[in-house]
Amino acid sequence: EIVLTQSPGTLSLSPGERATLSCRASQSVSRGYLGWYQQKPGQAPRLLIYGASSRATGIPDRFSGSGSGTDFTLTINRLEPEDFAVYYCQQYGSSPLTFGGGTKVEIK
Amino acid sequence: QLQLQESGPGLVKPAETLSLTCTISGGSISSNNYCWGWVRQPPGKGLELIGSIYYSGSTYYDPSLESRVTISADTSRNQFSLKLSSVTAADTAVYYCARQACADYIWVEFYYFDYWGQGTLVTVSS
Repeated sequence: EIVLTQSPGTLSLSPGERATLSCRASQSVSRGYLGWYQQKPGQAPRLLIYGASSRATGIPDRFSGSGSGTDFTLTINRLEPEDFAVYYCQQYGSSPLTFGGGTKVEIK
Repeated sequence: QLQLQESGPGLVKPAETLSLTCTISGGSISSNNYCWGWVRQPPGKGLELIGSIYYSGSTYYDPSLESRVTISADTSRNQFSLKLSSVTAADTAVYYCARQACADYIWVEFYYFDYWGQGTLVTVSS
């Protein structure tokens, strides 16, 4: 099983700053099959990124994903107030599919 | 616009079977290259994948739950369902149904979740 470790656990930033979130896999994620989700309190997760770097439909271009192998990054440029949330990564390159534990981006 | 809606009891007794249904509107459960899955989230914790189904009947279950889970699809009603047996307090969670991208090759490969229901809280308690 691929274990996904997300860091940091909490990121405290101000609106307008850049957020850099890490997702590290215990083994290489096949074909770069990694996704990122955003979840706000009381809401369902929303897909942001799939295939490590492809933005999902309707996702603003301030969200970008990168990485391969075992190291992946979600970058949020110029944080907007609505971007403060919890972010999860998920790998689907090998079974069992797994989620990371999440990174909370909070207002500083 | 695709919409998913979970339904089922919000309270289940320990040792009983949790049953939920997801109704799909604005899309078809029989769509090629889309699967339909269940993800849960215990209060204050992260996301846990339960399993998924393709309209052909191919299923994926998380190994940690496989012995207790059954996911089925009803193409005539455009619904899919989850049954989780022998529940304990540890199964208390918000349960989400979601559409999952997948690919039907020699076998079905299950990918990421692109549309989600609003979620329903299921509490296991006597």
